[in-house]
Amino acid sequence: DAGITQSPRHKVTETGTPVTLRCHQTENHRYMYWYRQDPGHGLRLIHYSYGVKDTDKGEVSDGYSVSRSKTEDFLLTLESATSSQTSVYFCAISESVDPRETQYFGPGTRLLVL
Amino acid sequence: AQTVTQSQPEMSVQEAETVTLSCTYDTSESDYYLFWYKQPPSRQMILVIRQEAYKQQNATENRFSVNFQKAAKSFSLKISDSQLGDAAMYFCAYRSGIYNQGGKLIFGQGTELSVKP
Repeated sequence: DAGITQSPRHKVTETGTPVTLRCHQTENHRYMYWYRQDPGHGLRLIHYSYGVKDTDKGEVSDGYSVSRSKTEDFLLTLESATSSQTSVYFCAISESVDPRETQYFGPGTRLLVL
Repeated sequence: AQTVTQSQPEMSVQEAETVTLSCTYDTSESDYYLFWYKQPPSRQMILVIRQEAYKQQNATENRFSVNFQKAAKSFSLKISDSQLGDAAMYFCAYRSGIYNQGGKLIFGQGTELSVKP
């Protein structure tokens, strides 16, 4: 298994509070991704990073920000959580954008916004 | 923009039987890969099989095989000799071969497969 951890694994928070999810990898892969999983939608890309301090938006980026100050860590921040952000969040890593490279996923974080 | 559609929210199969999960996609690109991921109750995303668009031969991995129909933009997954451990959510996914796309995966909605003993 690829060395990817996510923290926390579960979180309950209230509407309007800031939340930060952390993805940590030990594979030294350049590319990191944040997806959210919702019933009926599969997984959708929120943001991704193609290097330290290099990030770009995905399909559902509104309400989210990211930061990557080190190769191994990719943070996802909900500045002011809303109930619509209740979801399961997955981090993924890839050595390159070559589609022959496997994209590995972390174990996921279940977030409940009350 | 590329899209992936799985029109079967749920499927059921008897143990030891064969089941086929459907997936269609839309793209104007010629260079891309298609994937099937398995998500068991543990939520871990597990790569099952991949198919390169340029290859006409259908990919196979043990009991898993695909039927890739490029002109029809169809990519179905066949599971032979189904086992109880195959019960999971299955996602079809697309990844562009164009490098400035960032390597992102585009997923279908998922198909929940149950296996009856």
